[in-house]
Amino acid sequence: DIQMTQSPSSLSASVGDTVTITCRASQTISGYLNWYQQKPGKAPKLLISVASRLQSGVPSRFSGSGSGTDFSLTISSLQPEDFATYYCQQSYTTRFTFGGGTKVEMK
Amino acid sequence: EVQLLESGGGLVQPGGSLRLSCTASGFTFRSFAMSWVRQAPGKGLEFVSIISGSVGSTYYADPVQGRFTISRDNSKNTLYLQMNSLRADDTAVYYCVRDKMAVPSTRSAFDIWGQGTMVTVSS
Repeated sequence: DIQMTQSPSSLSASVGDTVTITCRASQTISGYLNWYQQKPGKAPKLLISVASRLQSGVPSRFSGSGSGTDFSLTISSLQPEDFATYYCQQSYTTRFTFGGGTKVEMK
Repeated sequence: EVQLLESGGGLVQPGGSLRLSCTASGFTFRSFAMSWVRQAPGKGLEFVSIISGSVGSTYYADPVQGRFTISRDNSKNTLYLQMNSLRADDTAVYYCVRDKMAVPSTRSAFDIWGQGTMVTVSS
C-alpha cells in the first residue's frame, strides 16, 4: 500500500506569512494528489485536486505543486481563517490513503 | 443545495453490528461515486470504502475488508455502510463523502462531505 507522509506535523505562523506543507508518497503517484482543509469540529473541505487544480471558491492564496512522490501545499499571506489542519490524499490507487495531517497554528 | 446527511451512529458493543445511512440531496446521486471516510477521536482521516455511481464496483481499506459492506440505493438517493464484527478501533466519526467522479479513478477527489456520525464501540 502507498503511504503518505506529511511534514511538518504542526507549525506556528502569523497572519501574512507564507507557509508550505509537504507530502511525500512511498511510491510514485504521478500527479494524483488532493489537499483538504479541516477546521475543529467540522468536516474536511477539498482545496486542490490532481496536485494543483484549485477548487471553485478556494482563494488563490492556496496553491499546490509536485509530481511523482513529492508534493507541496503553499498558503501565501496566511489569513485568520486559514488556521486549520491540512491533509493530503493520494488517488493513484483505490485505497485513497490520507497523510497524517499538518496543523497550522497561530504563533 | 448539495447536502449529505448521515444517520445510524451510536454506541455498540465489541463484536456487534451497526448500519450507517447517508441521504443525499441537491445533485444527481447515481452520477457520482460515494465513499465513507472515518476519523478516530483526535486522529487523522482514514479512507474506509467507496462505491461507484451505478455499476456498483466497491473498494475497501484493509482494516475493514470482510467486516464492512458498502452499498447504495439510487432510487432512494441513499448510501449505506453495514458494519459487522465491530472493534474498539472502529470508534470514529464516519463521514459520508461524494467523489467528483462517477467511478473511482485516479482523478477522484472528495468534494462534498456530510457532517459525520459518531460510532462508539465499547462495552
